[in-house]
This record gives sequence, structure tokens and C-alpha cells, in this order.
Amino acid sequence: AQSVTQLDSQVPVFEEAPVELRCNYSSSVSVYLFWYVQYPNQGLQLLLKYLSGSTLVESINGFEAEFNKSQTSFHLRKPSVHISDTAEYFCAVSYTGGGNKLTFGTGTQLKVEL
Amino acid sequence: DTAVSQTPKYLVTQMGNDKSIKCEQNLGHDTMYWYKQDSKKFLKIMFSYNNKELIINETVPNRFSPKSPDKAHLNLHINSLELGDSAVYFCASSLQGRGYTFGSGTRLTVV
Repeated sequence: AQSVTQLDSQVPVFEEAPVELRCNYSSSVSVYLFWYVQYPNQGLQLLLKYLSGSTLVESINGFEAEFNKSQTSFHLRKPSVHISDTAEYFCAVSYTGGGNKLTFGTGTQLKVEL
Repeated sequence: DTAVSQTPKYLVTQMGNDKSIKCEQNLGHDTMYWYKQDSKKFLKIMFSYNNKELIINETVPNRFSPKSPDKAHLNLHINSLELGDSAVYFCASSLQGRGYTFGSGTRLTVV
């Protein structure tokens, strides 16, 4: 069975500092990987995804994530965060053999401070 | 233009009542889902339908019954509501698991 581990439940960081949110998954088959962001009292928005091809994927607002098959990781990074990046970030994984079920990690609360 | 729309956005009801949440997608996706987000923000799948056929039914009380009248709609009916059912319920859709779009959520409060 597939599972997703987000090791950090909370990550405080100062504005303009770099940040990395960690995500590891376990699966015996090929997977698709996703990062979603949830702002307070809002729904889930897709930040970026890895389906195939280049292992480095980027979002339009400066986030990037790298698929590392050997380490079964998909860490999210941003070189310089902004106050508006404060939100809950969820890593998720799916594989076609599982009825296209999307399995989420427990989330990481990113809190950007001045 | 809304891709996945669910109604209502908020639902406050008394214990023991029966309620429904509706979901519609206009993306042409083949699979629709219901997810539950608890008070600790943990997201767990409840049901999944592919082309109107139930394909995932996680350990969910029988009081929860999904219905998919067509590929674009997936409704969730809940009987005999309990305090523990209070949560945010998200509808989502995907095309062959390669991308998932979520609705804005329904915050259910049982009093």
C-alpha cells in the first residue's frame, strides 16, 4: 500500500529566507506525485505535479520540487518565501493500480514571519 | 467557469438529521471522489466513482451513501448525522489519475 510521510508538521521561517518542506513516499510501483496548498478556510489548490519526464518541476509562484526515485522523495523548495506563502502544504501520491486514489500526507504548516 | 463545484458551502444541522452534499464537474474527467478533512486537517478518501461505477469505498459508516447519476455528478448523502461527522468534505475529480481538481469544500457542523 502506498503512503506519504511529511516529517515536519510545522515550519516557521522568516520572510525572504529559503524553505524546504519534506515529503517521502512508499510505493512498489510507479507513482504520480503532487503538492497541494491550502490557505486558511479555503480549498485545495494544486501547486505542482510530477507525472513523468524531467524530475524537477516548478510552479508559477516560485516553488519547485524534485522527484528522487532512489530516495523516494519529492521535497518542495522555495528560495525566498513571502508572507503570502503562509498556508498548509500537502504532499500526495497516486498510482493507476489503486483506482487513481490520491493519498495525502499529514500536511506541513508553513508560517512565514516578518 | 467553476471546474468542480459543490453545494452547500456551509451546513449546520442537528444530530440525527439526514443531509446531502452535491458535486458537479465540467472538466470531462472520468473519476470523481469524496474526501473528508478532519479537525487536524488530515485528508482521507471516502469514495471514488469512475464513469458512474463505484471503485473505491474506504472504511466509511453505512450512513454515508454516494450516488453518481452521471459522470459529471457525485452526491453524498448522510443519514442520522452524528457529532463526529463534523468536518470539511471535499469533492474532487481526475482524468486517469494524472491531475486532481478539488471543489472548495463543504464545512459540515453537527450540533
